[in-house]
Amino acid sequence: ETGVTQTPRHLVMGMTNKKSLKCEQHLGHNAMYWYKQSAKKPLELMFVYSLEERVENNSVPSRFSPECPNSSHLFLHLHTLQPEDSALYLCASSLRPRSGAGSYEQYFGPGTRLTVT
Amino acid sequence: GQQLNQSPQSMFIQEGEDVSMNCTSSSIFNTWLWYKQDPGEGPVLLIALYKAGELTSNGRLTAQFGITRKDSFLNISASIPSDVGIYFCAGQPAGGADGLTFGKGTHLIIQP
Repeated sequence: ETGVTQTPRHLVMGMTNKKSLKCEQHLGHNAMYWYKQSAKKPLELMFVYSLEERVENNSVPSRFSPECPNSSHLFLHLHTLQPEDSALYLCASSLRPRSGAGSYEQYFGPGTRLTVT
Repeated sequence: GQQLNQSPQSMFIQEGEDVSMNCTSSSIFNTWLWYKQDPGEGPVLLIALYKAGELTSNGRLTAQFGITRKDSFLNISASIPSDVGIYFCAGQPAGGADGLTFGKGTHLIIQP
């Protein structure tokens, strides 16, 4: 596998289910991101992990819970979601400088199309 | 938060025509990136710009980082059918933490 991979590609879940999205990067990057892409809206940054430490959480509801066990893997745990959470969830990675901010180029996975029923 | 105004929202062109789209912001950005997204896929990086005034090409694509650091444009010359898709500008705000701010996208449609 090369680049950034995401599984599953499609997921349908009920509002009471618990599921997890997985992302893996094979680029040697040290930062990973979760974005939400809804129709007619710009990509929204949800979480940033740099060197496996969460550095930003853009006021995302607690029903979304990220986990980054190492620099190559990122998870998004989902529970008691709402229908408005249906969207394309994109993972990205980048090489973040060790001092200061700055994400350089971000490379995206293919996304997980989530439908909440 | 930061916002990027991307225009046009959509473009209907003939194959072989040149295309131009742009992004503007009310605040300064340190980095400008242009992505293309095909249906059912994630965005693919086309061009990255890091310095004000920088002009960079990638094949038929050319992008520029505006002198004021508040805008960027992307040009596509001699469009072909595979250019169809949604093009996004993205920027790293000056003084911002991590993560990119994205425009809403320009949907490029090529008419036969």
